[in-house]
Amino acid sequence: EAAVTQSPRNKVTVTGGNVTLSCRQTNSHNYMYWYRQDTGHGLRLIHYSYGAGNLQIGDVPDGYKATRTTQEDFFLLLELASPSQTSLYFCASSDVGGSSYEQYFGPGTRLTVL
Amino acid sequence: GQQVQQSPASLVLQEGENAELQCNFSTSLNSMQWFYQRPEGSLVSLFYNPSGTKQSGRLTSTTVIKERRSSLHISSSQITDSGTYLCAMEPNTGYQNFYFGKGTSLTVIP
Repeated sequence: EAAVTQSPRNKVTVTGGNVTLSCRQTNSHNYMYWYRQDTGHGLRLIHYSYGAGNLQIGDVPDGYKATRTTQEDFFLLLELASPSQTSLYFCASSDVGGSSYEQYFGPGTRLTVL
Repeated sequence: GQQVQQSPASLVLQEGENAELQCNFSTSLNSMQWFYQRPEGSLVSLFYNPSGTKQSGRLTSTTVIKERRSSLHISSSQITDSGTYLCAMEPNTGYQNFYFGKGTSLTVIP
C-alpha cells in the first residue's frame, strides 16, 4: 500500500512568516498533489506535479509555490503567509498512466497563520 | 463552476438504518473516488470506482458514467460510521486535476 507522509503535522506562524510543508511518498508514484481544505469549500487543488522538476498549477495557486525535488518529495512553500492561508493541507500521490488513478493521501498538516 | 455536487449535506441516522449518499458531476469523468474523513481530519480511501459497482463489507459504491453520478450505500449503519464522506472526480480533460465535493456529514446515533 502506498505510503504518504507529511511534516509538520501542525504549524503555527505569524502573518508574513515563511512556511514550508513537506510531503514524501514511498510508492514510486509519478503524480503528487497539494490540496487545502476549508469549511464550505471542500478540498481544492493548489499545485501538482508529474515528476521531479515539474510543476503544474491547480485551482487555487495564489500565494503558494511548490517544488518537486525528487520522485518522492514534494514541498509547498508559503513565503509571506497570510491569515487566509490558515487551513488543513493534504498531500496526495497517484500512479497516473498505470492501472488505476487512485489517489493516496497523507495525514494532513494543520496550519494556523496568526 | 461547481463540478461536483454531493447530497445530502448532512444526515442523521439511528444505528442499524441504511444510507444512500449521492455524488453528481457536471462533466464527463475519467475516474472517481470515495473517501471517509475521520473527525480528526485524516482521509481514508473507501473506493476507487470509475464505473460499475464495488462492495466492501457494508459499503457499496455504484458509478454510472452516462448519468454522471455515483452513490455510496451504507447498510446497517454503526456509530463508528459517523464522520464526513467525500467524493472526488477527475474530469475527462486530459489533465490530472481532481475535484472534490463538499461532503456529506453523517451522524449515527444509538
